[in-house]
Amino acid sequence: GNSVTQMEGPVTLSEEAFLTINCTYTATGYPSLFWYVQYPGEGLQLLLKATKADDKGSNKGFEATYRKETTSFHLEKGSVQVSDSAVYFCALKVDNTDKLIFGTGTRLQVFP
Amino acid sequence: DTGVSQDPRHKITKRGQNVTFRCDPISEHNRLYWYRQTLGQGPEFLTYFQNEAQLEKSRLLSDRFSAERPKGSFSTLEIQRTEQGDSAMYLCASTRFLDRADTQYFGPGTRLTVL
Repeated sequence: GNSVTQMEGPVTLSEEAFLTINCTYTATGYPSLFWYVQYPGEGLQLLLKATKADDKGSNKGFEATYRKETTSFHLEKGSVQVSDSAVYFCALKVDNTDKLIFGTGTRLQVFP
Repeated sequence: DTGVSQDPRHKITKRGQNVTFRCDPISEHNRLYWYRQTLGQGPEFLTYFQNEAQLEKSRLLSDRFSAERPKGSFSTLEIQRTEQGDSAMYLCASTRFLDRADTQYFGPGTRLTVL
């Protein structure tokens, strides 16, 4: 079946450190891939997305590249800020359905 | 856009009671989705509508759950005879469906606690 696997958290970093959150997927066909973020006390927000192999999604200094050969969509940021502290969810959507399939989420904690 | 709104934000009920949640999507959005999120997990799909038609239902949606979108605008999710296992955050999302990677915009959720 279709599924998403994320690295377990929490990920704890100092401000200005480099961030990687791993995400791999299993899917039939050619899924679209997404990263959503949930800040404390707020709803899910789309962070970035990619719809085909080798596409790079980017937003707010975050990037992720759709790697078909490794079935991965790892999230990266060169220099994290305290305000990036949140839970990050990787998700996919396959062509024959409109539902999002989410990973379990990774909590990021950034300290000054 | 005012965003997706959900009401109530919190609901505490006793086991066996019925509860109903409401979702108001972003204006002009023709697709509306319901998800459920339990603690420490990602959201799980429940059902979705295009206008007033319910197009897909998850196997997670037992007979005790029913969702409607009667006029193609707001939607309600009703849970009958609630059980403690129904305790979760219920999320609503909407999109103006144009292509397969359309962004789903999420509301703040309704947190249900069944005692």
